Amino acid sequence: AQSVTQPDIHITVSEGASLELRCNYSYGATPYLFWYVQSPGQGLQLLLKYFSGDTLVQGIKGFEAEFKRSQSSFNLRKPSVHWSDAAEYFCAGGYQKVTFGTGTKLQVIP
Amino acid sequence: DSGVTQTPKHLITATGQRVTLRCSPRSGDLSVYWYQQSLDQGLQFLIQYYNGEERAKGNILERFSAQQFPDLHSELNLSSLELGDSALYFCASSVGSGTGGGAGVYDKDTQYFGPGTRLTVL
Repeated sequence: AQSVTQPDIHITVSEGASLELRCNYSYGATPYLFWYVQSPGQGLQLLLKYFSGDTLVQGIKGFEAEFKRSQSSFNLRKPSVHWSDAAEYFCAGGYQKVTFGTGTKLQVIP
Repeated sequence: DSGVTQTPKHLITATGQRVTLRCSPRSGDLSVYWYQQSLDQGLQFLIQYYNGEERAKGNILERFSAQQFPDLHSELNLSSLELGDSALYFCASSVGSGTGGGAGVYDKDTQYFGPGTRLTVL
């Protein structure tokens, strides 16, 4: 079935450390791919999206993601995490409709 | 603040009842999307309306229905409620129809999410 998978349910990083959140997709062709963030008690906010072209995508809040066709991955990265980045992150993919991954909860420790 | 409003914030009701959730899109947005977020099912797309017409359907149960009114606000009706319907229901809006450019690939199709309505069925 067409889907996106986030293998990490929960990740803890220290403030100032680098971050990488994993996302793998399973589609017949390269889908459109997205990363969203959901802060506690809030709705989702789009961080970045990819549909073609440059495989390194820049987003808001200092995030970037790299599309790797050979690994069917679209991992989200940030070089230095801030305490305010603590939230749940969702990878999503699809064509006309979007399928969401199960989310990765990020905890940031001082 | 995304500009999308949802009412009520919280709703507690009993099994078998019917409830209506309301969503007002951002000014100028023509599409409204409904999503359900629950612990066991994750985040699921339910349905999309564009300028009053149903545009796309996801995993929406037959007990659920939605509509978009001429002023572009939308309502999601949930009937014969079951315990498993307890969830956070989000609506999102976008300027465009979300078709032709994929699910939000183009800026006009970027979805802006409301804060959600938390439904608890007892």
